[in-house]
Amino acid sequence: DTGVSQNPRHKITKRGQNVTFRCDPISEHNRLYWYRQTLGQGPEFLTYFQNEAQLEKSRLLSDRFSAERPKGSFSTLEIQRTEQGDSAMYLCASSLWTNTEAFFGQGTRLTVV
Amino acid sequence: SQQGEEDPQALSIQEGENATMNCSYKTSINNLQWYRQNSGRGLVHLILIRSNEREKHSGRLRVTLDTSKKSSSLLITASRAADTASYFCATDEGAQKLVFGQGTRLTINP
Repeated sequence: DTGVSQNPRHKITKRGQNVTFRCDPISEHNRLYWYRQTLGQGPEFLTYFQNEAQLEKSRLLSDRFSAERPKGSFSTLEIQRTEQGDSAMYLCASSLWTNTEAFFGQGTRLTVV
Repeated sequence: SQQGEEDPQALSIQEGENATMNCSYKTSINNLQWYRQNSGRGLVHLILIRSNEREKHSGRLRVTLDTSKKSSSLLITASRAADTASYFCATDEGAQKLVFGQGTRLTINP
């Protein structure tokens, strides 16, 4: 296993369009996290899964955002009706359990024009 | 919400010098982790220190944790140009999600 994989690496979309990002975690990891990071800031927590259950969602995750992790494997993050403020790096991470190291993917950079 | 607060926000030193970054947090934790991020890239895990540990070493990295003061420090010894990056601490808020600070931008000058 080569680590956490995110696709696409870059996405440019027009305002109002829907976008979907995919994250493939390290295969034996039970926990999967999504973060958003803007320039010069630390990663901001969006949501996390334990296996297929979505256990917590940040207030940052408006109704336009939805995340899934079917069968506890890969995860998708969808943003509907994108806005310019959604432009950011979207990071995915996975860990075996809580209290263990979290490993990050390279991120998906979203630009909304 | 941002739990960890790194200090300083930016640090510039000469190659070969030591770099020290500090992190303060607010709630009780099970562990604290440090990450490095090169410009525009993903985060790389550096070290995890558990709440019952006071100090941990990994190569040129030394991390300390003071749970009574809710603070941690990351020391990079004998810095190299390749250490130029942003460094973040992250805590397991409520033993659930990882919460990151704003980061310290470290620049190593040749």
